Amino acid sequence: DVKVTQSSRYLVKRTGEKVFLECVQDMDHENMFWYRQDPGLGLRLIYFSYDVKMKEKGDIPEGYSVSREKKERFSLILESASTNQTSMYLCASSLSAVQHFGDGTRLSIL
Amino acid sequence: DQQVKQNSPSLSVQEGRISILNCDYTNSMFDYFLWYKKYPAEGPTFLISISSIKDKNEDGRFTVFLNKSAKHLSLHIVPSQPGDSAVYFCAARDGNSGNTPLVFGKGTRLSVIA
Repeated sequence: DVKVTQSSRYLVKRTGEKVFLECVQDMDHENMFWYRQDPGLGLRLIYFSYDVKMKEKGDIPEGYSVSREKKERFSLILESASTNQTSMYLCASSLSAVQHFGDGTRLSIL
Repeated sequence: DQQVKQNSPSLSVQEGRISILNCDYTNSMFDYFLWYKKYPAEGPTFLISISSIKDKNEDGRFTVFLNKSAKHLSLHIVPSQPGDSAVYFCAARDGNSGNTPLVFGKGTRLSVIA
C-alpha cells in the first residue's frame, strides 16, 4: 500500500511566522502535490512537482513556496503566515493518474 | 472557469437505497475520470475510475457511468450504507497535456440515513 505521511495532523501558528509543512511518500513516486481544502471550495492545487528540484505553480500559489530536494519529500512553505491561510492542507503523490493522499494537516493561523 | 462541476453540494439517501452522485465536465480532452471519497479529518481515498474508451466500470457496490456526448459521469452506490456517508470528489485528467495534475470538482456530501 502507498503511504503518504504528513508530519503534523494539527498545527497552530501565529500571523507572520514562517511555516513548514512536510510530506513524505514511500512508493518512489515521481509526482507530488499540495492542495488546500476549504468548505465549499473543494480541493485547490497550490503547487506540484514532477521530479526532484522541479516545481510548478498550481491554481493558488500566492503566499506559498515549495521545496523538493529528495524524491520522497515535498515541503510546503508559508513564507509569512496569514489568517486566510487557515485551512486543511493535503499532500498527494502519484505514478500515474491515481493520486494517493496523506491524512492532511489542519493548520490554524492566529 | 470550472472544468469539473459537481452541482449538488449535498445529498441524503436512505440506507439500502441507491445513491447517485453526478459530475459534469467541459474539457473534451479529458480521457480518464476518477472518484474519491473523503471522511472528515482524513485525506481523500481513491474509489473507482473509468477511461474515456469505456462507458461503465463496476466494483462491488460502486459503478461509474460515463456519457461522453453529454460530458457527464455519475457514481452509483447500491445499496447505500451509513459508512458511505462522506464527501465525494469527481476528478479528471487531461490526456492531451502530458503530465498535468487532476482537475477536481468541489465535492458532494453524501449522508446515508439509517
